[in-house]
Amino acid sequence: GDSVTQMEGPVTLSEEAFLTINCTYTATGYPSLFWYVQYPGEGLQLLLKATKADDKGSNKGFEATYRKETTSFHLEKGSVQVSDSAVYFCALSQKTSYDKVIFGPGTSLSVIP
Amino acid sequence: NAGVTQTPKFQVLKTGQSMTLQCAQDMNHNSMYWYRQDPGMGLRLIYYSASEGTTDKGEVPNGYNVSRLNKREFSLRLESAAPSQTSVYFCASSDGRGQYFGAGTRLSVL
Repeated sequence: GDSVTQMEGPVTLSEEAFLTINCTYTATGYPSLFWYVQYPGEGLQLLLKATKADDKGSNKGFEATYRKETTSFHLEKGSVQVSDSAVYFCALSQKTSYDKVIFGPGTSLSVIP
Repeated sequence: NAGVTQTPKFQVLKTGQSMTLQCAQDMNHNSMYWYRQDPGMGLRLIYYSASEGTTDKGEVPNGYNVSRLNKREFSLRLESAAPSQTSVYFCASSDGRGQYFGAGTRLSVL
């Protein structure tokens, strides 16, 4: 079945450091790919998405590119801030009778001043 | 624009008690979902509703029931709560281009 694998955390970075969170997937066909972010005590928020190969999703300085050849969707940000501290979830979606979403386990990021 | 609203935010139950978690969305989405989130287990789908009038089991439906009251509202009921149902519960809705989550209900069953 479909699945999503993420790098294990927690990840701790200093402010202004470069961020990469790796995500790979296994799926049939051409799923849509997503990154969600969960701040402490809150629900998940859609951060960015890509719906086809070579698409780049971007939002709030974060970027991820849909790589079909490597089945990857790595999240990057050039300069992280303390306010980026959160848990990040990679996910894929297959269009069936409903919007079925498979979530990765999440990667916790802590940014220290 | 409220998005997805869940009530209550916190709840403590005794084993065997029942309760209903409420969820409403104002985005006119067809699909709605209930998840639970547990440490080390990620997000697990309990039930979903692809459209008004339909509901289906997800990955972990045992011990729960749902009602899609109308297009806006999707409730989750625990008939006889058990300590294993201590968790954070999230409702979500979707327009097919991504899911939108509520703030969650933190439930403890003693």
